[in-house]
Amino acid sequence: DARVTQTPRHKVTEMGQEVTMRCQPILGHNTVFWYRQTMMQGLELLAYFRNRAPLDDSGMPKDRFSAEMPDATLATLKIQPSEPRDSAVYFCASGSASTGVLDSPLHFGNGTRLTVT
Amino acid sequence: SQQGEEDPQALSIQEGENATMNCSYKTSINNLQWYRQNSGRGLVHLILIRSNEREKHSGRLRVTLDTSKKSSSLLITASRAADTASYFCATGPPRGSARQLTFGSGTQLTVLP
Repeated sequence: DARVTQTPRHKVTEMGQEVTMRCQPILGHNTVFWYRQTMMQGLELLAYFRNRAPLDDSGMPKDRFSAEMPDATLATLKIQPSEPRDSAVYFCASGSASTGVLDSPLHFGNGTRLTVT
Repeated sequence: SQQGEEDPQALSIQEGENATMNCSYKTSINNLQWYRQNSGRGLVHLILIRSNEREKHSGRLRVTLDTSKKSSSLLITASRAADTASYFCATGPPRGSARQLTFGSGTQLTVLP
C-alpha cells in the first residue's frame, strides 16, 4: 500500500538550531506539497513542487525556510535558524497533476511535529 | 487566506445519527475535495467532486456541490464512533490559476457511542 513517508515524526530543538524534515512521496507522483498546521492558522501551504521544480513557495518565510527536491524520491524542508513560533506539525503531501490542474487526491504523510523551545 | 471555510466548527452527535458539514468558498474552482484527519495523523482523502458535478456518493458519504452558491456539503449517514475526526474541504483551482489546493479550517466531528 503506497504511502507518503515523513521523518522524523517528532522533533524537539532549541531556538536557533537547524531543523531538516524529510519526505518520501509516493512513487510516480509528480507534485509535492509542504503544509504547516497549527491550531491558530489551520493548514497553511508553504511550498509546492511539480516535477521537482518549485512552482510556489510564497507561503514560506524565505529568510529562514528552504524547500528542495534533490531527486524524485526525496523532498526536504529546512528551517535555519528555528524559532519558537515555528512550532507546528509539518505535513508533506504528494499527488498527480495532469495538464497543470490538480484534479486527483493528495496523499498526506503523518507529519513531523516540531517543537522549538 | 483560506479559500474554503467549513461550518460548523464543531459538531457532536449520537452514534447512528447523520452528520452534515458545509463548506463555502469564494472563487471559481475546478474541483472540491473532502478530507478527514484523525488525531495525530495526516489527512486522508474522502471524495472529490468536479465543478460540473452536483452530487457524489461513496459508501456512507454523500457530497453535494452548488457552484452558483459556492458551497458544498458533506453528509455522513448512520455515523459511528470511528467517524470522530476533523473534516476539511479543499478547493482545487481552475486551470491557469496561480492558486494551489487550499484547505478550510475544518469541522471537528464527535460521534458519541
